[in-house]
Amino acid sequence: QAQLVQSGAEMRKPGASVKVSCKASGYVFTSYYLHWVRQAPGQGLEWMGVIDPSGGSTSYAQGFKGRVTMTRDTSTNIAYIHLSSLRSEDTATYYCARDQQTVVRRVKNVFDIWGQGTVVNVSS
Amino acid sequence: DIQMTQSPSSLSASVTDRVTITCRASESINNYLNWYQQKPGKAPQLLIYDASTLQSGVPSRFSGSGSGTHFTLTISSLQPEDFATYYCQQSHSSPPITFGRGTRLDIK
Repeated sequence: QAQLVQSGAEMRKPGASVKVSCKASGYVFTSYYLHWVRQAPGQGLEWMGVIDPSGGSTSYAQGFKGRVTMTRDTSTNIAYIHLSSLRSEDTATYYCARDQQTVVRRVKNVFDIWGQGTVVNVSS
Repeated sequence: DIQMTQSPSSLSASVTDRVTITCRASESINNYLNWYQQKPGKAPQLLIYDASTLQSGVPSRFSGSGSGTHFTLTISSLQPEDFATYYCQQSHSSPPITFGRGTRLDIK
Protein backbone atom coordinates (compact mmCIF):
# COMPACT_ATOMS: atom_id res chain seq x y z
CA GLN A 1 0.00 0.00 0.00
CA ALA A 2 1.08 3.57 -0.50
CA GLN A 3 3.14 4.99 2.31
CA LEU A 4 5.55 7.76 3.20
CA VAL A 5 8.45 7.10 5.58
CA GLN A 6 10.38 10.02 7.00
CA SER A 7 13.88 10.36 8.41
CA GLY A 8 14.61 10.41 12.13
CA ALA A 9 14.59 13.15 14.73
CA GLU A 10 17.04 16.03 14.46
CA MET A 11 18.54 18.47 16.92
CA ARG A 12 20.03 21.76 15.75
CA LYS A 13 21.32 24.97 17.21
CA PRO A 14 19.81 28.34 16.27
CA GLY A 15 21.16 29.58 12.95
CA ALA A 16 21.83 26.09 11.63
CA SER A 17 19.89 24.28 8.91
CA VAL A 18 18.17 20.91 8.69
CA LYS A 19 17.17 18.57 5.88
CA VAL A 20 14.36 16.07 6.35
CA SER A 21 13.60 13.27 3.92
CA CYS A 22 10.39 11.53 2.94
CA LYS A 23 10.56 8.24 1.04
CA ALA A 24 7.53 7.19 -0.97
CA SER A 25 6.58 3.61 -1.74
CA GLY A 26 3.57 1.71 -3.02
CA TYR A 27 2.65 4.27 -5.68
CA VAL A 28 4.25 6.14 -8.57
CA PHE A 29 6.23 8.87 -6.82
CA THR A 30 6.21 11.27 -9.74
CA SER A 31 2.45 11.07 -10.19
CA TYR A 32 1.30 12.89 -7.05
CA TYR A 33 2.10 16.28 -5.56
CA LEU A 34 3.81 16.20 -2.17
CA HIS A 35 3.27 18.75 0.60
CA TRP A 36 5.09 19.60 3.80
CA VAL A 37 3.16 20.53 6.95
CA ARG A 38 4.56 21.24 10.39
CA GLN A 39 3.15 21.23 13.90
CA ALA A 40 4.76 22.99 16.84
CA PRO A 41 4.42 21.23 20.22
CA GLY A 42 0.81 21.40 21.39
CA GLN A 43 -0.16 23.57 18.43
CA GLY A 44 -2.08 23.26 15.17
CA LEU A 45 -1.04 22.42 11.65
CA GLU A 46 0.88 24.83 9.41
CA TRP A 47 1.30 24.28 5.67
CA MET A 48 4.78 25.02 4.38
CA GLY A 49 4.65 24.27 0.68
CA VAL A 50 4.27 21.74 -2.11
CA ILE A 51 6.44 20.12 -4.76
CA ASP A 52 5.51 18.51 -8.04
CA PRO A 53 7.84 15.47 -8.06
CA SER A 54 7.55 15.01 -11.81
CA GLY A 55 9.17 18.31 -12.74
CA GLY A 56 10.38 19.65 -9.42
CA SER A 57 8.34 22.86 -9.43
CA THR A 58 7.49 24.23 -6.01
CA SER A 59 5.19 26.64 -4.21
CA TYR A 60 6.03 27.88 -0.74
CA ALA A 61 4.06 29.57 1.99
CA GLN A 62 5.01 33.23 2.20
CA GLY A 63 6.31 32.94 5.74
CA PHE A 64 8.99 30.45 4.72
CA LYS A 65 10.17 31.96 1.45
CA GLY A 66 13.90 32.46 1.45
CA ARG A 67 14.43 29.86 4.18
CA VAL A 68 12.84 26.72 2.73
CA THR A 69 13.77 24.58 -0.23
CA MET A 70 11.85 21.51 -1.35
CA THR A 71 13.55 19.05 -3.68
CA ARG A 72 13.16 15.47 -4.84
CA ASP A 73 15.22 12.59 -6.16
CA THR A 74 13.21 10.58 -8.64
CA SER A 75 15.81 7.80 -8.72
CA THR A 76 15.16 6.97 -5.07
CA ASN A 77 11.57 8.23 -4.70
CA ILE A 78 12.60 10.59 -1.92
CA ALA A 79 11.43 14.14 -1.28
CA TYR A 80 13.38 16.55 0.88
CA ILE A 81 12.72 19.72 2.78
CA HIS A 82 15.62 21.95 3.74
CA LEU A 83 15.03 24.72 6.28
CA SER A 84 17.79 27.21 7.03
CA SER A 85 18.46 29.94 9.61
CA LEU A 86 16.68 27.90 12.24
CA ARG A 87 15.24 29.58 15.31
CA SER A 88 13.59 28.17 18.40
CA GLU A 89 10.15 28.74 16.86
CA ASP A 90 11.00 26.16 14.20
CA THR A 91 10.90 23.43 16.83
CA ALA A 92 8.12 21.21 15.52
CA THR A 93 7.15 17.90 14.00
CA TYR A 94 7.51 18.07 10.23
CA TYR A 95 5.20 15.96 8.07
CA CYS A 96 5.21 15.15 4.39
CA ALA A 97 1.79 14.47 2.95
CA ARG A 98 0.66 13.26 -0.46
CA ASP A 99 -1.89 15.25 -2.42
CA GLN A 100 -4.99 13.33 -3.46
CA GLN A 101 -4.65 14.69 -7.00
CA THR A 102 -2.28 13.42 -9.67
CA VAL A 103 0.05 15.92 -11.30
CA VAL A 104 -1.80 15.78 -14.62
CA ARG A 105 -4.30 18.13 -13.03
CA ARG A 106 -4.10 21.18 -10.80
CA VAL A 107 -3.09 20.43 -7.22
CA LYS A 108 -6.10 19.65 -5.05
CA ASN A 109 -4.58 20.37 -1.61
CA VAL A 110 -6.23 17.37 0.03
CA PHE A 111 -3.76 15.24 1.98
CA ASP A 112 -4.64 11.56 1.76
CA ILE A 113 -1.39 9.93 2.94
CA TRP A 114 0.95 11.28 5.61
CA GLY A 115 4.41 10.41 6.75
CA GLN A 116 4.93 9.51 10.40
CA GLY A 117 6.52 12.87 11.16
CA THR A 118 10.05 14.03 11.97
CA VAL A 119 10.74 15.92 15.17
CA VAL A 120 13.12 18.84 14.75
CA ASN A 121 14.33 20.45 17.96
CA VAL A 122 16.10 23.81 17.76
CA SER A 123 17.84 24.77 20.95
CA SER A 124 21.09 26.34 22.06
CA ASP B 1 -5.25 34.49 3.57
CA ILE B 2 -8.43 32.60 4.35
CA GLN B 3 -8.92 32.20 8.10
CA MET B 4 -10.55 29.04 9.42
CA THR B 5 -12.32 29.17 12.78
CA GLN B 6 -13.32 25.99 14.56
CA SER B 7 -15.69 25.66 17.47
CA PRO B 8 -15.64 24.51 20.09
CA SER B 9 -11.92 24.33 20.80
CA SER B 10 -12.56 21.43 23.14
CA LEU B 11 -15.46 19.14 23.85
CA SER B 12 -16.23 16.40 26.35
CA ALA B 13 -18.61 13.64 25.35
CA SER B 14 -19.52 10.05 26.13
CA VAL B 15 -19.44 6.90 24.04
CA THR B 16 -22.56 6.72 21.83
CA ASP B 17 -23.10 10.49 21.98
CA ARG B 18 -23.76 12.45 18.81
CA VAL B 19 -21.18 15.21 18.35
CA THR B 20 -20.98 18.14 15.96
CA ILE B 21 -17.93 20.32 15.30
CA THR B 22 -18.23 23.57 13.37
CA CYS B 23 -15.77 25.25 11.03
CA ARG B 24 -16.22 28.70 9.52
CA ALA B 25 -14.19 30.26 6.72
CA SER B 26 -13.45 33.98 6.54
CA GLU B 27 -14.72 34.02 2.95
CA SER B 28 -16.52 31.60 0.69
CA ILE B 29 -14.60 28.44 -0.12
CA ASN B 30 -17.46 26.70 -1.96
CA ASN B 31 -17.14 23.06 -0.84
CA TYR B 32 -13.33 22.98 -0.64
CA LEU B 33 -13.27 21.92 2.99
CA ASN B 34 -11.55 18.87 4.46
CA TRP B 35 -11.54 17.26 7.89
CA TYR B 36 -8.68 15.39 9.56
CA GLN B 37 -8.44 13.36 12.76
CA GLN B 38 -5.23 13.35 14.78
CA LYS B 39 -4.44 11.12 17.74
CA PRO B 40 -1.61 11.94 20.17
CA GLY B 41 1.82 11.28 18.72
CA LYS B 42 0.40 10.35 15.32
CA ALA B 43 0.07 12.01 11.95
CA PRO B 44 -3.31 13.43 10.95
CA GLN B 45 -5.61 11.20 8.91
CA LEU B 46 -8.04 12.37 6.23
CA LEU B 47 -11.67 11.77 7.19
CA ILE B 48 -13.74 13.83 4.78
CA TYR B 49 -12.90 15.87 1.71
CA ASP B 50 -14.86 18.28 -0.46
CA ALA B 51 -17.05 19.01 2.58
CA SER B 52 -19.03 15.77 2.52
CA THR B 53 -17.17 12.95 0.78
CA LEU B 54 -16.05 10.20 3.12
CA GLN B 55 -12.48 9.06 2.58
CA SER B 56 -12.13 5.37 1.80
CA GLY B 57 -12.01 3.24 4.93
CA VAL B 58 -13.52 5.88 7.24
CA PRO B 59 -16.53 4.63 9.24
CA SER B 60 -19.94 5.86 8.14
CA ARG B 61 -20.66 7.37 11.56
CA PHE B 62 -18.58 10.32 10.35
CA SER B 63 -20.30 12.81 8.08
CA GLY B 64 -19.67 16.31 6.83
CA SER B 65 -21.85 19.04 5.46
CA GLY B 66 -21.85 22.69 4.48
CA SER B 67 -20.76 25.02 1.74
CA GLY B 68 -19.64 28.60 1.37
CA THR B 69 -18.41 29.64 4.80
CA HIS B 70 -20.13 27.30 7.26
CA PHE B 71 -19.28 23.60 7.66
CA THR B 72 -19.91 20.84 10.17
CA LEU B 73 -18.39 17.49 11.04
CA THR B 74 -20.77 15.11 12.78
CA ILE B 75 -20.00 11.85 14.53
CA SER B 76 -23.33 10.05 14.90
CA SER B 77 -22.40 7.68 17.72
CA LEU B 78 -19.04 8.21 19.38
CA GLN B 79 -16.80 5.21 19.73
CA PRO B 80 -13.80 4.94 22.07
CA GLU B 81 -11.36 5.27 19.16
CA ASP B 82 -12.90 8.61 18.10
CA PHE B 83 -11.45 10.57 21.00
CA ALA B 84 -8.86 12.70 19.23
CA THR B 85 -8.28 16.20 17.85
CA TYR B 86 -10.10 17.22 14.68
CA TYR B 87 -8.92 19.83 12.19
CA CYS B 88 -10.68 21.48 9.30
CA GLN B 89 -8.65 22.70 6.31
CA GLN B 90 -9.57 24.81 3.30
CA SER B 91 -8.32 23.71 -0.11
CA HIS B 92 -9.92 26.56 -2.08
CA SER B 93 -7.10 29.08 -2.21
CA SER B 94 -3.39 28.51 -2.06
CA PRO B 95 -0.90 29.52 -1.18
CA PRO B 96 -1.40 29.31 1.65
CA ILE B 97 -3.49 26.32 2.59
CA THR B 98 -4.94 27.02 6.02
CA PHE B 99 -6.20 24.90 8.88
CA GLY B 100 -8.49 25.53 11.80
CA ARG B 101 -6.89 25.50 15.22
CA GLY B 102 -8.42 22.16 16.09
CA THR B 103 -11.14 20.71 18.31
CA ARG B 104 -10.02 18.37 21.05
CA LEU B 105 -12.62 15.69 21.80
CA ASP B 106 -12.23 14.11 25.24
CA ILE B 107 -14.06 11.41 27.10
CA LYS B 108 -16.56 12.76 29.63
